[in-house]
Amino acid sequence: ETGVTQSPTHLIKTRGQQVTLRCSSQSGHNTVSWYQQALGQGPQFIFQYYREEENGRGNFPPRFSGLQFPNYSSELNVNALELDDSALYLCASSFGPSTQYFGPGTRLTVL
Amino acid sequence: TQLLEQSPQFLSIQEGENLTVYCNSSSVFSSLQWYRQEPGEGPVLLVTVVTGGEVKKLKRLTFQFGDARKDSSLHITAAQPGDTGLYLCAGRGYSGGGADGLTFGKGTHLIIQP
Repeated sequence: ETGVTQSPTHLIKTRGQQVTLRCSSQSGHNTVSWYQQALGQGPQFIFQYYREEENGRGNFPPRFSGLQFPNYSSELNVNALELDDSALYLCASSFGPSTQYFGPGTRLTVL
Repeated sequence: TQLLEQSPQFLSIQEGENLTVYCNSSSVFSSLQWYRQEPGEGPVLLVTVVTGGEVKKLKRLTFQFGDARKDSSLHITAAQPGDTGLYLCAGRGYSGGGADGLTFGKGTHLIIQP
């Protein structure tokens, strides 16, 4: 059984740029959730995708958007990057509303 | 808005001591998870508690869900250096539709000194 994987591991961007982060869900899981974890903080819920549609969103602006593909993998896109977007971005997969299992994260640094 | 308060934020103790970490909220959760996270890595699930008053044991770790499903505790017996890490509690609320995701506490940074 393959766990949740994320790419890239690390990424450096400058303010105003756009970034795409990728996540492959664990085998058998159909739901992907994305979280942002700033340094020293707990993860904060960005949004969740189920059957290729966004079905829940946290308190994040529209420049944070996502996609889920037929194989249940997912992308997180962030436009017009700001310095405060620097964080560890975590993807978690689950089967519906069951327990979420996290990937290793992508460390994004915005300069 | 649901909030989870974890205490203490930081804890440094000697190997062999016991400790308890608390996770409190004014909101009711349908379930609560405890995760452990190493620096630069994703959280790793330790346990899920669902029923009010539930107690689960994982070797030297004991997890309890409050009767009212608003709070939880993690107790570690005879702590070892390998227990060092960030411990996060995360609650799943009751959603009328769609998904709210997990609400996380800020975490407890635990250091076990040899």
